[in-house]
Amino acid sequence: GQNIDQPTEMTATEGAIVQINCTYQTSGFNGLFWYQQHAGEAPTFLSYNVLDGLEEKGRFSSFLSRSKGYSYLLLKELQMKDSASYLCAVLDSNYQLIWGAGTKLIIKP
Amino acid sequence: GAVVSQHPSRVICKSGTSVKIECRSLDFQATTMFWYRQFPKQSLMLMATSNEGSKATYEQGVEKDKFLINHASLTLSTLTVTSAHPEDSSFYICSVQSREADEQFFGPGTRLTVL
Repeated sequence: GQNIDQPTEMTATEGAIVQINCTYQTSGFNGLFWYQQHAGEAPTFLSYNVLDGLEEKGRFSSFLSRSKGYSYLLLKELQMKDSASYLCAVLDSNYQLIWGAGTKLIIKP
Repeated sequence: GAVVSQHPSRVICKSGTSVKIECRSLDFQATTMFWYRQFPKQSLMLMATSNEGSKATYEQGVEKDKFLINHASLTLSTLTVTSAHPEDSSFYICSVQSREADEQFFGPGTRLTVL
């Protein structure tokens, strides 16, 4: 079966750095997405990785290792507004998004 | 990225009535539109995939006669929840995708409450 694993919840301090991991087992791979979702809102796109390596975009970076079925989202200089759920999703061979359950990130002052 | 709108953003209806939710791609030719639902503290669940001009493909367990999807143009898809029941109360989210890109752009979502 297809499976995406990510931690349920993480806590970090304002101004610090946090890394959210995601491992996946899917039928085919056409890219991995990270989304941010605030409560009651639709998820917003953060990053898309299809090749191995690190993609940096401002305070957020995303890393992918296809051979290990592994990705992480790195958030730097954490702000209170970063408190949200972070969803990892893989585009499988049928171009369908397989979603993780999301990681709830709590930022403390 | 594409701008996607949904209407209404929130709807409350009585059990047994039908509700139509619109998803519009405002600046993007969406050859494919997706409909998701999300229950509290759970990830998005894909309901169906619709390609412009053809019938929608429903995920297993999703009743096609209950959740009617129409994708009449490259900028509009509608989801009609027929004979809604309280268990249909959920957050319905659409997303759009073009033929050229794998990236999906999400709509803001519609919160449906069935009394």
